[in-house]
Amino acid sequence: AQTVTQSQPEMSVQEAETVTLSCTYDTSESNYYLFWYKQPPSRQMILVIRQEAYKQQNATENRFSVNFQKAAKSFSLKISDSQLGDTAMYFCAFRPMDSNYQLIWGAGTKLIIKP
Amino acid sequence: SAVISQKPSRDICQRGTSLTIQCQVDSQVTMMFWYRQQPGQSLTLIATANQGSEATYESGFVIDKFPISRPNLTFSTLTVSNMSPEDSSIYLCSVLGTGSPNEQFFGPGTRLTVL
Repeated sequence: AQTVTQSQPEMSVQEAETVTLSCTYDTSESNYYLFWYKQPPSRQMILVIRQEAYKQQNATENRFSVNFQKAAKSFSLKISDSQLGDTAMYFCAFRPMDSNYQLIWGAGTKLIIKP
Repeated sequence: SAVISQKPSRDICQRGTSLTIQCQVDSQVTMMFWYRQQPGQSLTLIATANQGSEATYESGFVIDKFPISRPNLTFSTLTVSNMSPEDSSIYLCSVLGTGSPNEQFFGPGTRLTVL
């Protein structure tokens, strides 16, 4: 069975610090996509960043970047220069490339940015 | 991207009643998804709704309890029938975008409380 594990239920850092959220997954697939979604208190689920497994280069989106280690099945999210607005639940998700588009979700990490 | 609205944004209902949640998208989309997010939990897929066909339900979810309509390419409804307190959750509508890799966009969710 394919699973996604987020081992950090909650994290908190000071504003402007860098924080890394961990995500590991288990699959026998070789081609797949990985996503990080953010869900602030407003409940709106927002895509933060995505990574195609066939790409060796780590994806980056402004202050957000990933460390994708395919052999280790690890997909961590790094947030640089954290801001108060980054406070949210962060979910890691996985989807096989040839799937029917269903996402497999991690349990989430609650990130609190302190002023 | 796609802009998704949901109605109602929240509701408090009595046990045994039913509630219909509406999902409206600003563009035509092929695949729509309904998720349930119980308090403090990750997302669980209820069903996939394609226009012109019956919804496909995930294990543990049945049509009698969660009937879904998909009358056109921009609209869907989810009904939570014969509600019990265990149905108290956030219900999220999601659509499949047309970009690569067909990322999912989410509505703001409906917070349901059953007394």
